[in-house]
Amino acid sequence: EIVLTQSPATLSLSPGERATLSCRASQSVSSYLAWYQQKPGQAPRLLIYDASNRATGIPARFSGSGSGTDFTLTISSLEPDDFAVYYCQQRGNWPRSFGQGTRLEIK
Amino acid sequence: EVHLLESGGGLVQPGGSLRLSCAASGFTFRDYAMSWVRQAPGKGLEWVSSIGLTSGTTFYTDSVKGRFTISSDSSKNTLYLQMNSLRADDTALYYCARALTAWQAPGYWGQGTLVTVSS
Repeated sequence: EIVLTQSPATLSLSPGERATLSCRASQSVSSYLAWYQQKPGQAPRLLIYDASNRATGIPARFSGSGSGTDFTLTISSLEPDDFAVYYCQQRGNWPRSFGQGTRLEIK
Repeated sequence: EVHLLESGGGLVQPGGSLRLSCAASGFTFRDYAMSWVRQAPGKGLEWVSSIGLTSGTTFYTDSVKGRFTISSDSSKNTLYLQMNSLRADDTALYYCARALTAWQAPGYWGQGTLVTVSS
């Protein structure tokens, strides 16, 4: 089973700042990694798929990079609406797995 | 517009059974992989099971193998999750999700149905 480790667990930043979230896989998942945003009481929302492809309707301030075992989600300039929990998920192997999440909070 | 609506959750005693349903609309049901993902109260997301609707191929996380069965009825555009021998640690909000395309990452999600396992 592939374990995804996200860091940091919590990230405290201010609107307008740049956010960098990390996801590390216990073995290679090639480019088969997705990023999700989840707000309280809501279903997850797909942001990035296959490491670097923005899903439909996702603003350009969200970008993803990486391959193999190390991946990054970058939010170039935080908007108030971006403060949420972010999860990575791999589809490189079965069983599928999610990271434990990074909480992005307002500083 | 893709729409997924889960139902069937509720309170069940340990050892009991429930069948979750996910009614899908807005797309050709058999063209995509479908999944169940759960989230225990205050916890993160956990992938549970997936099915390829064309092939019928199924996959499960280890903790539910032998207890849960994923299935679908294309004539009703409905996904199911039969859950038997339920345990307290199965308590969670269960989401139905559709792959973006084929076996891609889940790109469409329902709002979830809550399963509570307690005596």
